[in-house]
Parts: sequence; C-alpha cells; structure tokens
Amino acid sequence: DAGITQSPRHKVTETGTPVTLRCHQTENHRYMYWYRQDPGHGLRLIHYSYGVKDTDKGEVSDGYSVSRSKTEDFLLTLESATSSQTSVYFCAISEATGRGQPQHFGDGTRLSIL
Amino acid sequence: KQEVTQIPAALSVPEGENLVLNCSFTDSAIYNLQWFRQDPGKGLTSLLLIQSSQREQTSGRLNASLDKSSGRSTLYIAASQPGDSATYLCAVNTSGTYKYIFGTGTRLKVLA
Repeated sequence: DAGITQSPRHKVTETGTPVTLRCHQTENHRYMYWYRQDPGHGLRLIHYSYGVKDTDKGEVSDGYSVSRSKTEDFLLTLESATSSQTSVYFCAISEATGRGQPQHFGDGTRLSIL
Repeated sequence: KQEVTQIPAALSVPEGENLVLNCSFTDSAIYNLQWFRQDPGKGLTSLLLIQSSQREQTSGRLNASLDKSSGRSTLYIAASQPGDSATYLCAVNTSGTYKYIFGTGTRLKVLA
C-alpha cells in the first residue's frame, strides 16, 4: 500500500471555525490531490498540487485553500467552516499524471460541521 | 466538460456469477482510465489502470476494457465471491489536465 497518512481521521467542529486537514506521504510522489466524497456526487476534486508551492483549483474549490511547502505534506484549510462542508475528505497521490501512473488514496477524514 | 457515468448504481448477484460493470465518459480525449474499489468507511483501492493506447488490462479475476471512440469502459469480474462486495468506481484523466473525473460508482453485493 502507498504510504499516505491523513490526519485527523475524524473531526467534529462548529460553523465558523477554521479547520486544517493534513495529508502526509512517504512515496516522494510529485502530484497530490484533495477530494471530497458526498452521497449522490461521488468524488469531486477540491485542489491539487503538481509540485512544492505549485497548486491549482479543482471543481469545488470555493471555501477551501491549500498549501504545499514540502513534497511530503499537502494541507487543506477551511478558513471558516460551514455545514455544507460536512463530508468525507480524501487525499490522493500520483507519481505522474497522464503517463500511466495510477492514483493512490488515503483512508479519508470524516469531517462534521455542526 | 468531461462527465463520467456508471450504470447501474447498485447490483446484487449470486456467488459464482460473472458480471460486468459499466463506465461511460463524454470526452474521448483521455490519457487513461482507472478502476477503483471502495469498501465501506475506507479509502479507494486501485484495481486497474488502462492507458488511452490500450484496449484492456487484466489482474486475476478482473478484466477492464476501454473503447475510447464510444466513450466506454467495462470491468468484468469472473466467478464473483462475497468478498467482491464493495463499491466500484471509475475515474478518467482527460488529456491536457491533471484532473481525474470520477463516476458515482456501482455498489455491488455478491450473495453467498
């Protein structure tokens, strides 16, 4: 299994509070992704990174920011959490994209915003 | 805009049956297509990846095919077992992007 650790695994917080989720990899892969998974919507890309300090938006990026200061860490921040951001968040990594290398996923973070 | 559809949303079959799961995509300009398995409360496990230049990939009892021109992929599971029960998702990497677009999955239940 790919070495991907997401933390925390579960979190409950209140509307309006900031929240940071961490994805840590030990594979030295260049590409990292944050997805959210919701019933009826499947997995949707929030943000992704194609290198240290290189990030771009996915299809549901509003209300989220990311940072990648080291190859191994990709942080997802909800500046002011809202109930609509209650979801399961997955981090994924890939050695390359579009060149035959698969994505590998972490076990997810279950986030509840009350 | 790439859209990925998986039909049916749910499927129940008796143990031992061969079955086919379907994945359709609207933009045929893809780099690759990946099939995943997801168990309840878990992350996604990569099963097979097919590059755009390939027609199929096989791993054990699993065989995935790709027909780019018609925008379709199928995942064939031979001699299904109760342990195959899970949600199966396909994801497409559209050419020229770093992004993978996922289908909403097919929830499979194999009855003993």
